[in-house]
Amino acid sequence: EDQVTQSPEALRLQEGESSSLNCSYTVSGLRGLFWYRQDPGKGPEFLFTLYSAGEEKEKERLKATLTKKESFLHITAPKPEDSATYLCAVLRAAGNKLTFGGGTRVLVKP
Amino acid sequence: DAGVIQSPRHEVTEMGQEVTLRCKPISGHDYLFWYRQTMMRGLELLIYFNNNVPIDDSGMPEDRFSAKMPNASFSTLKIQPSEPRDSAVYFCASSPGQGVYEQYFGPGTRLTVT
Repeated sequence: EDQVTQSPEALRLQEGESSSLNCSYTVSGLRGLFWYRQDPGKGPEFLFTLYSAGEEKEKERLKATLTKKESFLHITAPKPEDSATYLCAVLRAAGNKLTFGGGTRVLVKP
Repeated sequence: DAGVIQSPRHEVTEMGQEVTLRCKPISGHDYLFWYRQTMMRGLELLIYFNNNVPIDDSGMPEDRFSAKMPNASFSTLKIQPSEPRDSAVYFCASSPGQGVYEQYFGPGTRLTVT
């Protein structure tokens, strides 16, 4: 069965203090790894898709990287508006079913 | 595009009552997904459709849950009878298909069963 583990569960940062979130996975044939952002009371918002080891994607202060066993979401010089829960999910080679991790709650204090 | 639309946004009902949640996917998307999110279990896939046909319903917890997609622009998730343990946020998502796999989520329906 596919497994996705995210760490840490929660992260408190000062504004400007860069950090990384980890997403470890086991999946039978990875077709893609996805990062989402979820604000309280809202649905997950799509950020990135990574397809192969070594791939990187960037969006503003966020950068996602992928290896054969894990993915990292780097937050550079975060701002309070980056506070959210970040979810990662894997898509296996067969079917179209995402398996989500438990998420990392990020709080950025001014 | 308006994005994925869900209704109602909040539903409070008594145990034993029937609950129907509604979803309008993004126009042109071939896939529709129903998820449930709780603090304990996180985000779980219940069922998904491709071109209005149910493909995988292995996540549907029990026979009390049913989902339909009568056309490309509408889907329902029904719980009958509802129980307090069904209290959760239910999300609908859609995906373009044709090699594009990212899913776009609606705002969710917060269900409380008393």
